[in-house]
Amino acid sequence: DTGVSQDPRHKITKRGQNVTFRCDPISEHNRLYWYRQTLGQGPEFLTYFQNEAQLEKSRLLSDRFSAERPKGSFSTLEIQRTEQGDSAMYLCASSSYKDSYEQYFGPGTRLTVT
Amino acid sequence: QQQVKQSPQSLIVQKGGIPIINCAYENTAFDYFPWYQQFPGKGPALLIAIRPDVSEKKEGRFTISFNKSAKQFSLHIMDSQPGDSATYFCAAMTRGTSYGKLTFGQGTILTVHP
Repeated sequence: DTGVSQDPRHKITKRGQNVTFRCDPISEHNRLYWYRQTLGQGPEFLTYFQNEAQLEKSRLLSDRFSAERPKGSFSTLEIQRTEQGDSAMYLCASSSYKDSYEQYFGPGTRLTVT
Repeated sequence: QQQVKQSPQSLIVQKGGIPIINCAYENTAFDYFPWYQQFPGKGPALLIAIRPDVSEKKEGRFTISFNKSAKQFSLHIMDSQPGDSATYFCAAMTRGTSYGKLTFGQGTILTVHP
């Protein structure tokens, strides 16, 4: 257990529905990342927060995706109007400013869009 | 664009063997190279990492070899055990300008037979 938690662990939804995932990073970590991992592939970067500011977004993050980190603590990732291609594992990672190269990952949220 | 290429896709060794996983990168701005281990249903866990100013780093049974001129690095697992059976990912980062965004390889599924 790295100390990064994610909720829910699994989510099954129908195409067109909205879903929201939550990530709670290690408490003293000010940097938070979201990645997406599809079966048989490595994680792909989606977005990055430093404290509450979203500083970078991948072009993978379409307009249907939005992420927030209010108050610089937990973060949420919302997918609107889900599509079957959104089925993946959504991973959250955090790191501290002092040791920003070491990212600690949560267990992920497995999304299945039917 | 696949910036980090990993091989082999899968690897089977006997207990006590020394599996070797290789990665090659294209972006010469990368300057931090971690390896992650992932078990089914879990998030990736940081194993060991290296910076390009050293050619080798060892932590326990895990060793990274780094060849800056060839833009290649590899993971060696000494005295492998069945508990090492997992998927291994190499990754790369540019520390200064990318806010710690990791670019991952495709992964290697390692099986260690008893």
